[in-house]
Amino acid sequence: DAMVIQNPRYQVTQFGKPVTLSCSQTLNHNVMYWYQQKSSQAPKLLFHYYDKDFNNEADTPDNFQSRRPNTSFCFLDIRSPGLGDAAMYLCATSRELAGNYEQYFGPGTRLTVT
Amino acid sequence: TQLLEQSPQFLSIQEGENLTVYCNSSSVFSSLQWYRQEPGEGPVLLVTVVTGGEVKKLKRLTFQFGDARKDSSLHITAAQPGDTGLYLCAGDDNQGGKLIFGQGTELSVKP
Repeated sequence: DAMVIQNPRYQVTQFGKPVTLSCSQTLNHNVMYWYQQKSSQAPKLLFHYYDKDFNNEADTPDNFQSRRPNTSFCFLDIRSPGLGDAAMYLCATSRELAGNYEQYFGPGTRLTVT
Repeated sequence: TQLLEQSPQFLSIQEGENLTVYCNSSSVFSSLQWYRQEPGEGPVLLVTVVTGGEVKKLKRLTFQFGDARKDSSLHITAAQPGDTGLYLCAGDDNQGGKLIFGQGTELSVKP
């Protein structure tokens, strides 16, 4: 089945220790997104790629970086995680269909910072 | 900045009751999507509504898009414990794939 895959599902890192979260997709969608979600809140968009074009949200901290080496893969790098970065990180993909975009989410990576 | 106001924020009901969740905005959206998210998982797309006044049904769930495409509702008939989760509405305002999310409705259905 076509899907969005995130690895790992659970990640524990130490305060200040760089960490990378991975996302891959078999949907062949040209748009990929990274969201941060804290408990019972709506997902907060960090950045997205439209094809190879990187779009950073204005309030995304510099501590968060992203790479998209090809259509299928996207990575979220947190350079120096703080305690406040503990959250669920969601990857999503979409493509334009009749002028609209439906987003398909992965299962998420739960990040714990100790 | 466009906002999507979702209400109620929390809802706790008994099995068999009906409920409605609302999403309202002062802005027009080209489409609106509803998601359900279970604890520890990613949101799952339930439906997309595109046309003003459109009504879509998914088993016991009824979704409506307002005539002016500024608001939407989700009605659940005879709720079941399996309906428990976080319900999110998200509007597409033609920003090249970005969605505006509502705050979410945390639904708990007790047996």
